[in-house]
Amino acid sequence: AQKVTQAQTEISVVEKEDVTLDCVYETRDTTYYLFWYKQPPSGELVFLIRRNSFDEQNEISGRYSWNFQKSTSSFNFTITASQVVDSAVYFCALSEAGSNYQLIWGAGTKLIIKP
Amino acid sequence: DTEVTQTPKHLVMGMTNKKSLKCEQHMGHRAMYWYKQKAKKPPELMFVYSYEKLSINESVPSRFSPECPNSSLLNLHLHALQPEDSALYLCASSQGRGGARDEQYFGPGTRLTVT
Repeated sequence: AQKVTQAQTEISVVEKEDVTLDCVYETRDTTYYLFWYKQPPSGELVFLIRRNSFDEQNEISGRYSWNFQKSTSSFNFTITASQVVDSAVYFCALSEAGSNYQLIWGAGTKLIIKP
Repeated sequence: DTEVTQTPKHLVMGMTNKKSLKCEQHMGHRAMYWYKQKAKKPPELMFVYSYEKLSINESVPSRFSPECPNSSLLNLHLHALQPEDSALYLCASSQGRGGARDEQYFGPGTRLTVT
């Protein structure tokens, strides 16, 4: 069965610290897609990244980086030099090739960045 | 322009009222979604329209009635709601060609309170 686990319910760090959000997934499909979304207090979900199962290359975008490891079924997200504006709930999600628009969501990790 | 708009931002309605939520996108996307999100939970998929046809209905009660007048617009008609239907209702869109692999773009949501 498909499943996404974000074991960290809430993380609190001081501004400028690095922080890693964990995401572990389960799927039987060989073709699947992984996503990260950010939901700030305003409520709008913001797409951050998509990775397909055949591309294990790590991705860096500014202060954000993602580490995809099929061997451990993980797709972790690191924020370097965190800022107060990074405070949000972050969701990891999985879709399988045959699922036709369905996303399996993790429970989300609430990230609090203190000034 | 990666924007999905939703109106109204907030809605308070009684259990006997009829109201509608509206969603619009101008990105040329061919798939549009309605999600329901309760506090501290991930979004729950309600409906998916693909190329203006209802593609997925996640066993949503008939007091929620979706409508897709054209490829840019999506409505959610509400009638005889229950207090437990109070939630954030999110609209999203995606290109629609790739199904599972397409990232979804979300609107800011309508915060609905049923009294």
